[in-house]
Amino acid sequence: DVKVTQSSRYLVKRTGEKVFLECVQDMDHENMFWYRQDPGLGLRLIYFSYDVKMKEKGDIPEGYSVSREKKERFSLILESASTNQTSMYLCASSLGTNQETQYFGPGTRLLVL
Amino acid sequence: AQSVTQLGSHVSVSEGALVLLRCNYSSSVPPYLFWYVQYPNQGLQLLLKYTTGATLVKGINGFEAEFKKSETSFHLTKPSAHMSDAAEYFCAVSDSGGGADGLTFGKGTHLIIQP
Repeated sequence: DVKVTQSSRYLVKRTGEKVFLECVQDMDHENMFWYRQDPGLGLRLIYFSYDVKMKEKGDIPEGYSVSREKKERFSLILESASTNQTSMYLCASSLGTNQETQYFGPGTRLLVL
Repeated sequence: AQSVTQLGSHVSVSEGALVLLRCNYSSSVPPYLFWYVQYPNQGLQLLLKYTTGATLVKGINGFEAEFKKSETSFHLTKPSAHMSDAAEYFCAVSDSGGGADGLTFGKGTHLIIQP
């Protein structure tokens, strides 16, 4: 089974802090994605990566950056956390093109005070 | 640009009744279509997907969906609801253009099963 793990289930940070969310997949997938999930808005794509050191902006990249130094690991960085970044963050990975299934991690619920 | 509309943020059915969750999409190219389910405090799990071929797609847990190009729809059905089906359901679309650039999700439908 594909396994996508996220470093924390729950995280509490203060406004202005730098926040790192880590995601690791164990199936040698080329593609990795970061989404945020908010009630009534569904999931929205923040950033994705189709190869090591490659990154592409999604629909809502403002306030975020990403890093992919190794194929299995994809990090989401909040340079200066703000309260409007309080959300559930979901990482996913997939093999190949868009027809492939995306496999999701359990999510990190981030609260910014 | 793609978009997905899920009709009804909450749908309530009785146990044993038909489940129908509606999804309409817009896409400038032939789409790939997905239904995911999210149980409380968990990530998303694929129920089924349509890429090419047969337009009636069967998934896990007795769910199925039919791709209707003329109606730009991909509604999810299950003949008989079970209490364990209570969850959040998301319809999603992706571009069939050959790359891998993420999914566009609907806002989700919370399925409630009445005993």
